[in-house]
Amino acid sequence: QKEVEQNSGPLSVPEGAIASLNCTYSDRGSQSFFWYRQYSGKSPELIMFIYSNGDKEDGRFTAQLNKASQYVSLLIRDSQPSDSATYLCAVPRGGSYIPTFGRGTSLIVHP
Amino acid sequence: NAGVTQTPKFRILKIGQSMTLQCAQDMNHNYMYWYRQDPGMGLKLIYYSVGAGITDKGEVPNGYNVSRSTTEDFPLRLELAAPSQTSVYFCASSYSSGFYEQYFGPGTRLTVT
Repeated sequence: QKEVEQNSGPLSVPEGAIASLNCTYSDRGSQSFFWYRQYSGKSPELIMFIYSNGDKEDGRFTAQLNKASQYVSLLIRDSQPSDSATYLCAVPRGGSYIPTFGRGTSLIVHP
Repeated sequence: NAGVTQTPKFRILKIGQSMTLQCAQDMNHNYMYWYRQDPGMGLKLIYYSVGAGITDKGEVPNGYNVSRSTTEDFPLRLELAAPSQTSVYFCASSYSSGFYEQYFGPGTRLTVT
């Protein structure tokens, strides 16, 4: 089992729909979880950070964490074409808590 | 603040050549990282540093070396370049690990032919 797994996609949704991106992780000791967005040809930038079980909302973005099931999700409401990007899940793990990245999910929002 | 800067932006190397990718940050961050990203893949950690004078290997360190003599700079050295090192290289920094955001540089696109 890979340490951080994401479906590579692409996930295609119509404009205005909810996009749901999932990430599972193997290290039960992981305590914090990051979602980064990466536009094509650009560097990753942080969009969400979560460390408590449950939901965290920031504008159109909601992160959901379930530590018992070892997954973290990102929901994007009212998806816009400008949300088209790759979304990377990062999970700090191990004794040094250095982030391990999933391979990313490509999201395409079509008008 | 410039954030995290990387040079060069693009480079083409011949097999067997060597080069140094430069990375600098002006946020006084303790942690710095080098990642490589192959097409359609996530970020793989090459090396990281928790402070000046302290470095450690990541997931894919073979063929690379690093040093960290100052808080600001974290150069990545490629010795004897191979086609397998063709990739996009990102430098990143963070205040600490675990609960702290990473800030990424713009990347260096390297081709080895």
